[in-house]
Amino acid sequence: AQSVTQLGSHVSVSEGALVLLRCNYSSSVPPYLFWYVQYPNQGLQLLLKYTSAATLVKGINGFEAEFKKSETSFHLTKPSAHMSDAAEYFCAVSSRSGGGADGLTFGKGTHLIIQP
Amino acid sequence: KAGVTQTPRYLIKTRGQQVTLSCSPISGHRSVSWYQQTPGQGLQFLFEYFSETQRNKGNFPGRFSGRQFSNSRSEMNVSTLELGDSALYLCATKEGPTNEKLFFGSGTQLSVL
Repeated sequence: AQSVTQLGSHVSVSEGALVLLRCNYSSSVPPYLFWYVQYPNQGLQLLLKYTSAATLVKGINGFEAEFKKSETSFHLTKPSAHMSDAAEYFCAVSSRSGGGADGLTFGKGTHLIIQP
Repeated sequence: KAGVTQTPRYLIKTRGQQVTLSCSPISGHRSVSWYQQTPGQGLQFLFEYFSETQRNKGNFPGRFSGRQFSNSRSEMNVSTLELGDSALYLCATKEGPTNEKLFFGSGTQLSVL
């Protein structure tokens, strides 16, 4: 079984400040990890993915995430927040490439608020 | 390429009724997955279809079913609707089972009264 915990259902940062969204996972096998973003009234869009290559993964819109096996974490960061980053962010885990028998397991999401 | 298309965008039903939702994948995508999104439970995997066969299934009752057609379009059906079925139903597609990148539609918002 696998699970994802996202710390903080809401995170508020000032425009230009560092964004840090936390994700911890549990998996009995080497995981595949993903971050998705959801804007209001839209579906999810893939930001980045970790699939056992480089531990520091760069994604779209200036986001990156670092896989830390010892901490079972995959936190998402962005050096400088922009107003357009305001959205819901989901961390997800899969037991294998393409999704395991249970598909992707998502965290509950973190709502990112950007203060002007 | 056109994106993942889900219809209808909004639905209002009453308890006991049944509903059918449709998903048209991106051209060339043969794998279609369905997810239920609610404020309380978040995103939960319903099932995945590939080449008209159900490949994986989540932990949902038998009232939730789906199918996939030869053109890869998929439908999901919920029978005997309950209030708790109110949710955003998201369809996600990819080229094949081993691909990692899912492309999501905007979803169908189902309200059960």
